[in-house]
Amino acid sequence: AQSVTQLGSHVSVSEGALVLLRCNYSSSVPPYLFWYVQYPNQGLQLLLKYTTGATLVKGINGFEAEFKKSETSFHLTKPSAHMSDAAEYFCAVRPSFGNEKLTFGTGTRLTIIP
Amino acid sequence: GAGVSQSPSNKVTEKGKDVELRCDPISGHTALYWYRQSLGQGLEFLIYFQGNSAPDKSGLPSDRFSAERTGGSVSTLTIQRTQQEDSAVYLCASSLYSADTQYFGPGTRLTVL
Repeated sequence: AQSVTQLGSHVSVSEGALVLLRCNYSSSVPPYLFWYVQYPNQGLQLLLKYTTGATLVKGINGFEAEFKKSETSFHLTKPSAHMSDAAEYFCAVRPSFGNEKLTFGTGTRLTIIP
Repeated sequence: GAGVSQSPSNKVTEKGKDVELRCDPISGHTALYWYRQSLGQGLEFLIYFQGNSAPDKSGLPSDRFSAERTGGSVSTLTIQRTQQEDSAVYLCASSLYSADTQYFGPGTRLTVL
């Protein structure tokens, strides 16, 4: 069984400030981890993913995330927020083998304050 | 290249009617997934197709829901005798193979009155 917890359904940061969106997972087998972004009235777009190898993963639009096995976390960060980052962000997990469906967190809505 | 497309983008129906939602995956992608996004349940898996294998239907919420994938390409999700709790955004995703990254379509927003 696997699950994802995203702490904070709403996060607000000032433009230019650090963005930190938290994700913790539970998985009985080694997981693959994903962050997706959803802009209003659009589908999900992949930001970044962790499968194997380097635990610090860089994605699009300046985002990155670090897989920390000891903390079962995969937090998403961006050093300097931009107005265009306002969207909803979803963390997702799937097992590294078999059972290909994604299990999603409940999402975090990011608001950027000008 | 073209992404995953879904039609219609919006569908309003009356309780008790049947609806069909269509998904066109990225060309060449062998795996196709349906998810549902609703306020009460978040994003939840519905069904998964991989090549010619039997689909994984473990996420379908009731027997009113069914899906098929013709010719290994286009998929149709059918909801019979719609209920108000079926109102949600239905998202389709495809991947080149089952272990690859899933790419999502824009979704179909279903409203059941």
